[in-house]
Amino acid sequence: LAKTTQPISMDSYEGQEVNITCSHNNIATNDYITWYQQFPSQGPRFIIQGYKTKVTNEVASLFIPADRKSSTLSLPRVSLSDTAVYYCLVGLLGDYKLSFGAGTTVTVRA
Amino acid sequence: SQTIHQWPATLVQPVGSPLSLECTVEGTSNPNLYWYRQAAGRGLQLLFYSVGIGQISSEVPQNLSASRPQDRQFILSSKKLLLSDSGFYLCAWRQGRPSSYNSPLHFGNGTRLTVT
Repeated sequence: LAKTTQPISMDSYEGQEVNITCSHNNIATNDYITWYQQFPSQGPRFIIQGYKTKVTNEVASLFIPADRKSSTLSLPRVSLSDTAVYYCLVGLLGDYKLSFGAGTTVTVRA
Repeated sequence: SQTIHQWPATLVQPVGSPLSLECTVEGTSNPNLYWYRQAAGRGLQLLFYSVGIGQISSEVPQNLSASRPQDRQFILSSKKLLLSDSGFYLCAWRQGRPSSYNSPLHFGNGTRLTVT
């Protein structure tokens, strides 16, 4: 799996947009980028995945530049319930060995 | 739809006692199954994964073992717990081949294990 680097923590306020950038300089040609969200005392939940350009769903958007060496998860108009840890994973989706780093703790304040 | 069940939710066990955590998946067949452990404030550490009945791969040498007696059942065990086994244990599944290439992981709600 490609090594990823993401900020340890981020603070925001309700209604703001939160952007979390993940660096993955050694991403391989066939690697995908996947983001998960984890609330305290729960298992991580899949948010979004992509290969290049932009992917959007009802929860978030994922921006991937042409060189694919980084990606940005964008959470529009966050609420208190978006306070969680967000993990960036890079690798072949068919790879069995999926390990998670420490993630980014996002804290949304009123 | 697919669901994953993991139990118990919390467990307090003395050092040296055995452990058995069970995970079952419904609504799919031949899933890939995983056991992860998460220490407080840390990321998830992959412990075991399985691509089929009786097929177990261990990622980290330790005091734990895993078994898959049925297609959708995954069990994490220990004969004698250590203090260092405390943590949050998560079971997960994903679609097995040939669909796994584009399949994300789906996690259970975890078991909080405290070894005293």
